[in-house]
Amino acid sequence: GESVGLHLPTLSVQEGDNSIINCAYSNSASDYFIWYKQESGKGPQFIIDIRSNMDKRQGQRVTVLLNKTVKHLSLQIAATQPGDSAVYFCAENTGGFKTIFGAGTRLFVKA
Amino acid sequence: DAGVIQSPRHEVTEMGQEVTLRCKPISGHDYLFWYRQTMMRGLELLIYFNNNVPIDDSGMPEDRFSAKMPNASFSTLKIQPSEPRDSAVYFCASSPRIANQPQHFGDGTRLSIL
Repeated sequence: GESVGLHLPTLSVQEGDNSIINCAYSNSASDYFIWYKQESGKGPQFIIDIRSNMDKRQGQRVTVLLNKTVKHLSLQIAATQPGDSAVYFCAENTGGFKTIFGAGTRLFVKA
Repeated sequence: DAGVIQSPRHEVTEMGQEVTLRCKPISGHDYLFWYRQTMMRGLELLIYFNNNVPIDDSGMPEDRFSAKMPNASFSTLKIQPSEPRDSAVYFCASSPRIANQPQHFGDGTRLSIL
């Protein structure tokens, strides 16, 4: 079936370093991708999105890269801070009817 | 602006009891979603509404689960009778359009069925 999966369930980085969180998706028909951040006790919070007609999009300290050839999505966080510690989910929309969430990656930031 | 509001934040009850979870979406949002999150299965879409009408309930696990949206500002998810395996965090989310728009999530209801 269709799925969105993550290569690394846990990522630990030093404060100030850059973080890269990866995601593989299986549905080539997906046309919209979103990264969410979930902190303990809270709901997922939108970080950044990208449409399938783009391969890169930048936000504040975050960049999302989309490689449709290999069906890969990544989230890059520059100068990672302790407040970035959370679980990060990639998600995909196919035809706009449903959003499928990946399993999530937990990011630890070491001070 | 107020985000998606869910209540209660925590619910602990004994199996067999009826459980009702509540959600107030962001004003002006046409779509409302109910999700369940567990360690084993991650975030699962249960049902979603468009303009108060249920569109897809294929994620609802069984007949014990039901959801309603009597008006644009309120939705409920009911479990009757509840079972221990229903224990999870239940999230409500809303969006102005379903296609190519991020969803806005509430902070969830942590449900424990003893």
